[in-house]
Amino acid sequence: EIVLTQSPATLSLSPGERATLSCRASQRVATHLGWYQHKPGQAPRLLIYDASTRATGIPARFSGSGSGTDFTLTISSLEPEDFAIYYCQQRSNWPPTFGQGTKVEIK
Amino acid sequence: HVQLVQSGAEVKKPGASMKVSCKASGYTFSNYGISWVRQAPGQGLEWMGWISAYNGDTNYAQNLQGRVTMTTDTSTRTGYLELRSLTSDDTAVYYCARDDSGLSYFDSWGQGALVTVSS
Repeated sequence: EIVLTQSPATLSLSPGERATLSCRASQRVATHLGWYQHKPGQAPRLLIYDASTRATGIPARFSGSGSGTDFTLTISSLEPEDFAIYYCQQRSNWPPTFGQGTKVEIK
Repeated sequence: HVQLVQSGAEVKKPGASMKVSCKASGYTFSNYGISWVRQAPGQGLEWMGWISAYNGDTNYAQNLQGRVTMTTDTSTRTGYLELRSLTSDDTAVYYCARDDSGLSYFDSWGQGALVTVSS
């Protein structure tokens, strides 16, 4: 199965700062990669699919890029509600797999 | 709008079975399937498997083969996850998510159901 490795494990930033999260795949996945936001006690929320397409209702401060094995989620200016855990997920090869997550915490 | 509503929290003994439900609304149920994803305490997200609501086809994660059964009831628009021979490693929040193919993105999720396995 494809292993997704996210870095860093934790990102400590202040509101208004830019967040850059990385996801690296053990095999090429083309652009079949999505990003989710997960807050405690809530269901995960799809932010980005196909590497760079924002899901319905997702603010423009969230953007995704990459293809092949290296992907990036960027939050251009952190809002208080953006502090959460972010997961990448590939749908290129069965089984679908998730990265281990990056926690974005308030500095 | 699309909504998935799951059954409530459960406590189970080791060796017992669990069954979680996921009732869908707001879309044509048979046009999609349901994937199940779990999150153990302090861990990440683990995909468990998928069932087609159209024809009942299933794909299960290899590490759960033989212990897991996913079903749907189209008359009530409900999906079910059954997991048998529970151990403490199965303590987790179990989520259902809408999934059209078994290899897709998950655009709508249930609220999660905490299952605790403890003697």
